[in-house]
Amino acid sequence: GQQVMQIPQYQHVQEGEDFTTYCNSSTTLSNIQWYKQRPGGHPVFLIQLVKSGEVKKQKRLTFQFGEAKKNSSLHITATQTTDVGTYFCAGSKGGNNRKLIWGLGTSLAVNP
Amino acid sequence: DGGITQSPKYLFRKEGQNVTLSCEQNLNHDAMYWYRQDPGQGLRLIYYSQIVNDFQKGDIAEGYSVSREKKESFPLTVTSAQKNPTAFYLCASSTTGQDNSPLHFGNGTRLTVT
Repeated sequence: GQQVMQIPQYQHVQEGEDFTTYCNSSTTLSNIQWYKQRPGGHPVFLIQLVKSGEVKKQKRLTFQFGEAKKNSSLHITATQTTDVGTYFCAGSKGGNNRKLIWGLGTSLAVNP
Repeated sequence: DGGITQSPKYLFRKEGQNVTLSCEQNLNHDAMYWYRQDPGQGLRLIYYSQIVNDFQKGDIAEGYSVSREKKESFPLTVTSAQKNPTAFYLCASSTTGQDNSPLHFGNGTRLTVT
Protein backbone atom coordinates (compact mmCIF):
# COMPACT_ATOMS: atom_id res chain seq x y z
CA GLY A 1 0.00 0.00 0.00
CA GLN A 2 0.96 3.63 -0.24
CA GLN A 3 3.44 4.73 2.38
CA VAL A 4 5.16 7.90 3.45
CA MET A 5 8.50 7.15 5.03
CA GLN A 6 9.93 9.80 7.32
CA ILE A 7 13.54 9.91 8.50
CA PRO A 8 15.22 10.14 10.86
CA GLN A 9 12.98 8.87 13.64
CA TYR A 10 14.91 10.85 16.25
CA GLN A 11 17.39 13.70 16.10
CA HIS A 12 19.34 15.21 18.95
CA VAL A 13 21.14 18.50 18.26
CA GLN A 14 22.93 21.25 20.11
CA GLU A 15 21.17 24.57 20.13
CA GLY A 16 22.33 26.52 17.09
CA GLU A 17 22.85 23.48 14.89
CA ASP A 18 20.72 22.85 11.83
CA PHE A 19 18.13 20.09 11.53
CA THR A 20 16.49 18.37 8.58
CA THR A 21 13.73 15.77 8.35
CA TYR A 22 12.82 13.99 5.13
CA CYS A 23 9.65 12.40 3.82
CA ASN A 24 9.58 9.99 0.92
CA SER A 25 6.51 8.60 -0.77
CA SER A 26 6.27 5.45 -2.86
CA THR A 27 3.88 7.23 -5.22
CA THR A 28 3.36 10.74 -6.57
CA LEU A 29 1.56 13.06 -4.19
CA SER A 30 -0.94 15.77 -4.89
CA ASN A 31 0.31 17.81 -1.97
CA ILE A 32 2.07 17.42 1.34
CA GLN A 33 1.32 19.01 4.69
CA TRP A 34 3.68 19.50 7.64
CA TYR A 35 2.67 19.55 11.29
CA LYS A 36 4.52 20.09 14.58
CA GLN A 37 3.55 18.43 17.85
CA ARG A 38 5.13 19.69 21.05
CA PRO A 39 5.67 17.15 23.85
CA GLY A 40 2.31 16.45 25.49
CA GLY A 41 0.54 18.57 22.90
CA HIS A 42 -1.39 18.17 19.70
CA PRO A 43 -0.29 18.50 16.06
CA VAL A 44 -0.31 22.04 14.73
CA PHE A 45 -0.39 22.76 11.01
CA LEU A 46 2.76 24.42 9.67
CA ILE A 47 2.47 24.53 5.91
CA GLN A 48 1.17 22.87 2.76
CA LEU A 49 3.18 22.35 -0.43
CA VAL A 50 1.40 21.76 -3.71
CA LYS A 51 3.65 22.56 -6.67
CA SER A 52 6.51 20.51 -8.04
CA GLY A 53 9.82 21.91 -6.78
CA GLU A 54 8.08 24.31 -4.42
CA VAL A 55 10.11 25.95 -1.67
CA LYS A 56 8.50 27.88 1.18
CA LYS A 57 10.09 29.60 4.15
CA GLN A 58 8.78 30.46 7.58
CA LYS A 59 11.48 32.36 9.47
CA ARG A 60 14.12 29.68 10.21
CA LEU A 61 12.07 26.85 8.64
CA THR A 62 12.46 25.92 4.97
CA PHE A 63 10.08 23.46 3.33
CA GLN A 64 10.72 21.81 -0.02
CA PHE A 65 8.61 19.62 -2.30
CA GLY A 66 10.54 17.50 -4.78
CA GLU A 67 10.34 17.87 -8.53
CA ALA A 68 8.65 14.49 -8.84
CA LYS A 69 6.30 15.30 -5.95
CA LYS A 70 7.39 12.14 -4.15
CA ASN A 71 9.57 13.64 -1.47
CA SER A 72 9.68 16.62 0.82
CA SER A 73 11.94 18.06 3.47
CA LEU A 74 11.80 20.42 6.41
CA HIS A 75 15.01 22.21 7.33
CA ILE A 76 15.44 24.27 10.48
CA THR A 77 18.37 26.68 10.56
CA ALA A 78 20.06 27.38 13.89
CA THR A 79 17.74 25.37 16.11
CA GLN A 80 16.37 26.82 19.34
CA THR A 81 14.90 25.04 22.37
CA THR A 82 11.47 26.16 21.21
CA ASP A 83 11.88 23.90 18.16
CA VAL A 84 11.64 20.80 20.35
CA GLY A 85 8.84 18.46 19.29
CA THR A 86 7.83 15.91 16.70
CA TYR A 87 7.51 16.97 13.09
CA PHE A 88 5.06 15.06 10.90
CA CYS A 89 4.54 15.08 7.19
CA ALA A 90 1.22 14.03 5.71
CA GLY A 91 0.92 13.37 2.01
CA SER A 92 -2.19 13.23 -0.12
CA LYS A 93 -2.88 11.59 -3.45
CA GLY A 94 -5.56 14.14 -4.08
CA GLY A 95 -9.19 14.79 -3.34
CA ASN A 96 -10.11 13.99 0.20
CA ASN A 97 -8.35 14.61 3.50
CA ARG A 98 -9.40 11.10 4.42
CA LYS A 99 -6.62 9.99 2.12
CA LEU A 100 -3.85 11.75 4.03
CA ILE A 101 -0.96 9.36 4.61
CA TRP A 102 1.00 10.30 7.69
CA GLY A 103 4.68 9.78 8.24
CA LEU A 104 5.70 8.42 11.64
CA GLY A 105 7.32 11.71 12.59
CA THR A 106 10.78 12.90 13.52
CA SER A 107 11.30 13.75 17.17
CA LEU A 108 13.69 16.65 17.66
CA ALA A 109 15.52 17.23 20.93
CA VAL A 110 17.62 20.39 21.37
CA ASN A 111 20.35 20.71 23.99
CA PRO A 112 20.64 24.26 25.32
CA ASP B 1 -11.97 32.38 20.55
CA GLY B 2 -12.50 29.62 17.96
CA GLY B 3 -11.16 26.13 18.36
CA ILE B 4 -11.72 22.47 19.03
CA THR B 5 -12.48 21.26 22.52
CA GLN B 6 -11.91 17.70 23.58
CA SER B 7 -12.94 16.46 26.96
CA PRO B 8 -11.88 15.07 29.26
CA LYS B 9 -8.09 15.40 28.98
CA TYR B 10 -7.54 12.13 30.85
CA LEU B 11 -9.99 9.24 31.08
CA PHE B 12 -9.72 5.98 32.96
CA ARG B 13 -12.02 3.01 32.40
CA LYS B 14 -12.27 -0.60 33.32
CA GLU B 15 -12.03 -3.20 30.61
CA GLY B 16 -15.43 -4.14 29.19
CA GLN B 17 -16.93 -0.68 29.54
CA ASN B 18 -17.89 1.56 26.68
CA VAL B 19 -16.63 5.14 26.90
CA THR B 20 -17.50 8.23 24.89
CA LEU B 21 -14.99 10.96 24.06
CA SER B 22 -16.33 14.42 23.40
CA CYS B 23 -15.26 16.70 20.53
CA GLU B 24 -16.80 20.12 19.91
CA GLN B 25 -15.72 22.78 17.42
CA ASN B 26 -16.84 26.35 16.93
CA LEU B 27 -14.84 26.95 13.76
CA ASN B 28 -17.86 26.29 11.51
CA HIS B 29 -15.85 23.56 9.80
CA ASP B 30 -17.70 21.01 7.68
CA ALA B 31 -15.32 18.10 8.15
CA MET B 32 -14.32 16.38 11.37
CA TYR B 33 -11.97 13.49 12.09
CA TRP B 34 -10.90 11.13 14.83
CA TYR B 35 -7.32 9.92 15.00
CA ARG B 36 -5.58 7.55 17.33
CA GLN B 37 -1.93 8.10 18.24
CA ASP B 38 0.26 5.40 19.75
CA PRO B 39 3.98 5.75 20.51
CA GLY B 40 6.01 5.13 17.39
CA GLN B 41 2.92 4.62 15.22
CA GLY B 42 2.04 8.12 14.10
CA LEU B 43 -1.57 9.09 13.47
CA ARG B 44 -4.14 6.59 12.32
CA LEU B 45 -7.59 7.60 11.12
CA ILE B 46 -10.53 6.04 12.94
CA TYR B 47 -13.56 7.84 11.47
CA TYR B 48 -14.23 10.99 9.53
CA SER B 49 -17.28 13.05 8.61
CA GLN B 50 -17.58 15.53 5.78
CA ILE B 51 -21.10 16.70 6.54
CA VAL B 52 -23.73 16.39 9.23
CA ASN B 53 -25.46 13.02 9.49
CA ASP B 54 -22.78 11.37 7.38
CA PHE B 55 -19.55 9.65 8.37
CA GLN B 56 -17.15 7.05 6.97
CA LYS B 57 -14.81 4.51 8.47
CA GLY B 58 -11.14 5.25 8.47
CA ASP B 59 -8.29 2.75 8.57
CA ILE B 60 -8.91 1.40 12.08
CA ALA B 61 -12.66 1.74 12.72
CA GLU B 62 -13.22 -1.65 14.33
CA GLY B 63 -14.36 -1.31 17.94
CA TYR B 64 -15.31 2.35 17.55
CA SER B 65 -18.51 4.22 16.69
CA VAL B 66 -19.33 7.87 16.00
CA SER B 67 -22.26 10.16 15.36
CA ARG B 68 -22.56 13.53 13.66
CA GLU B 69 -25.95 14.91 14.59
CA LYS B 70 -24.71 18.49 14.76
CA LYS B 71 -22.08 20.29 12.73
CA GLU B 72 -20.24 21.28 15.90
CA SER B 73 -20.07 17.87 17.54
CA PHE B 74 -18.43 14.56 16.64
CA PRO B 75 -18.32 12.23 19.66
CA LEU B 76 -16.37 8.98 19.55
CA THR B 77 -17.43 5.88 21.47
CA VAL B 78 -14.77 3.34 22.28
CA THR B 79 -16.61 0.07 22.72
CA SER B 80 -15.63 -3.02 24.66
CA ALA B 81 -14.94 -4.66 21.28
CA GLN B 82 -11.82 -2.51 20.80
CA LYS B 83 -8.98 -4.82 21.79
CA ASN B 84 -6.35 -2.21 22.62
CA PRO B 85 -8.21 0.96 23.59
CA THR B 86 -5.48 2.59 25.66
CA ALA B 87 -4.16 5.42 23.48
CA PHE B 88 -4.09 9.15 22.85
CA TYR B 89 -7.17 10.21 20.86
CA LEU B 90 -7.12 13.32 18.71
CA CYS B 91 -10.11 15.03 17.17
CA ALA B 92 -9.57 17.34 14.21
CA SER B 93 -11.59 19.48 11.86
CA SER B 94 -11.05 21.16 8.51
CA THR B 95 -12.94 23.77 6.54
CA THR B 96 -13.88 21.17 3.97
CA GLY B 97 -13.02 17.52 3.54
CA GLN B 98 -10.77 18.33 0.58
CA ASP B 99 -7.05 17.78 0.90
CA ASN B 100 -6.16 21.46 0.48
CA SER B 101 -7.87 22.17 3.79
CA PRO B 102 -5.46 21.81 6.72
CA LEU B 103 -6.45 19.99 9.88
CA HIS B 104 -7.02 21.78 13.19
CA PHE B 105 -6.56 19.47 16.15
CA GLY B 106 -8.00 19.49 19.64
CA ASN B 107 -5.81 18.98 22.71
CA GLY B 108 -6.56 15.28 22.78
CA THR B 109 -7.91 12.78 25.30
CA ARG B 110 -5.60 10.25 26.86
CA LEU B 111 -7.61 7.08 27.53
CA THR B 112 -6.35 4.37 29.84
CA VAL B 113 -8.25 1.10 30.10
CA THR B 114 -7.27 -1.41 32.77
